[in-house]
Amino acid sequence: KAGVTQTPRYLIKTRGQQVTLSCSPISGHRSVSWYQQTPGQGLQFLFEYFSETQRNKGNFPGRFSGRQFSNSRSEMNVSTLELGDSALYLCASRTPGENTEAFFGQGTRLTVV
Amino acid sequence: AQSVTQLDSHVSVSEGTPVLLRCNYSSSYSPSLFWYVQHPNKGLQLLLKYTSAATLVKGINGFEAEFKKSETSFHLTKPSAHMSDAAEYFCVVGNNAGNMLTFGGGTRLMVKP
Repeated sequence: KAGVTQTPRYLIKTRGQQVTLSCSPISGHRSVSWYQQTPGQGLQFLFEYFSETQRNKGNFPGRFSGRQFSNSRSEMNVSTLELGDSALYLCASRTPGENTEAFFGQGTRLTVV
Repeated sequence: AQSVTQLDSHVSVSEGTPVLLRCNYSSSYSPSLFWYVQHPNKGLQLLLKYTSAATLVKGINGFEAEFKKSETSFHLTKPSAHMSDAAEYFCVVGNNAGNMLTFGGGTRLMVKP
């Protein structure tokens, strides 16, 4: 069974631009969540989608947004990029319910210059 | 609300010696607890999870963790380190809805030959 696929793997953007990252979950997984990983702040939760609805959101500014499609694929968008948005963005998919494990993709490395 | 503290940011052991990575958690409800490992330029892989069925949890690659409610701890151990164990390890607590993970700061494990 294919794992979680994130595209692109690497991105370089200029400050002020916007960016869209994509995540294809494991087949049958309807919950998709996004995390930001930086050396200073570690791994932080961005948001989680289930059946095209955002169920939970972390403490990030409104420049960070996401959506989920009917096939469970998800995208996240960051507008008006700042240097501090440079990070590894990780997507995870899981089957819903307590204690079910999250399967992570390899991430998208975003560099803002 | 939940939080996780990994007590050591770096741990160095010799190959063949035991590994101990320490984790304390805080949760206002019965927690879901996980250990994930991240190898360089790779995504996160689940090592093990606590499901409340047993306090001693066995994971992949010879790792184990013991849930101690009285100490709010979930330390990760392995009897004998291998060079391939060198990586970053994250202790993680899930929220009660099961749709958000809170990560500890990570412990970088170094294995000396």
